Amino acid sequence: DARVTQTPRHKVTEMGQEVTMRCQPILGHNTVFWYRQTMMQGLELLAYFRNRAPLDDSGMPKDRFSAEMPDATLATLKIQPSEPRDSAVYFCASQRGADNEQFFGPGTRLTVL
Amino acid sequence: KNQVEQSPQSLIILEGKNCTLQCNYTVSPFSNLRWYKQDTGRGPVSLTIMTFSENTKSNGRYTATLDADTKQSSLHITASQLSDSASYICVVSSNLNYGGATNKLIFGTGTLLAVQP
Repeated sequence: DARVTQTPRHKVTEMGQEVTMRCQPILGHNTVFWYRQTMMQGLELLAYFRNRAPLDDSGMPKDRFSAEMPDATLATLKIQPSEPRDSAVYFCASQRGADNEQFFGPGTRLTVL
Repeated sequence: KNQVEQSPQSLIILEGKNCTLQCNYTVSPFSNLRWYKQDTGRGPVSLTIMTFSENTKSNGRYTATLDADTKQSSLHITASQLSDSASYICVVSSNLNYGGATNKLIFGTGTLLAVQP
């Protein structure tokens, strides 16, 4: 049963600390997305990769957020330093190709105190 | 401006009843329209994907319709079950040559459906 996995599922941290979220896309999917979801804003695209190359990260605050794909089986989203306004659920999604069905992971619920 | 608007914002129905959720969009150029179901505490799950030429598509008790002329879509749920309680998100894909590599997804804010016994 192929699925996107994310770790950790929950993270509580203090303002100023570094946070790293990890995602394992479905094997064979070459496009990976990072989203953030809040009650106020809904789902927002932060960044996405195609064949491990970053194609768009215009949705991310560049000064504190960074996204990477060290290899085809791992995507990371890092926040340094974290702020209370970063509290949200962060989803990773993967798809095969350019415009096919996206499969979402279970999300990481981040709380920054 | 590319936008996706959904109505109603929330809906409460009794188990066994039918309901219809609405989605209006102003996205151009249009590639496809997707409906997702998101259970509380989980990631969205795709229900249907419809292209410009498709008017209706079913997935079990879920039937989506698309009118590309009026830029409207609906999701009809038949004989609702308690497990249908979730947020339903309408997403439009635009083939803007976005980033030169993939399509851009524009998300609606969702309709929160509660099915009561």
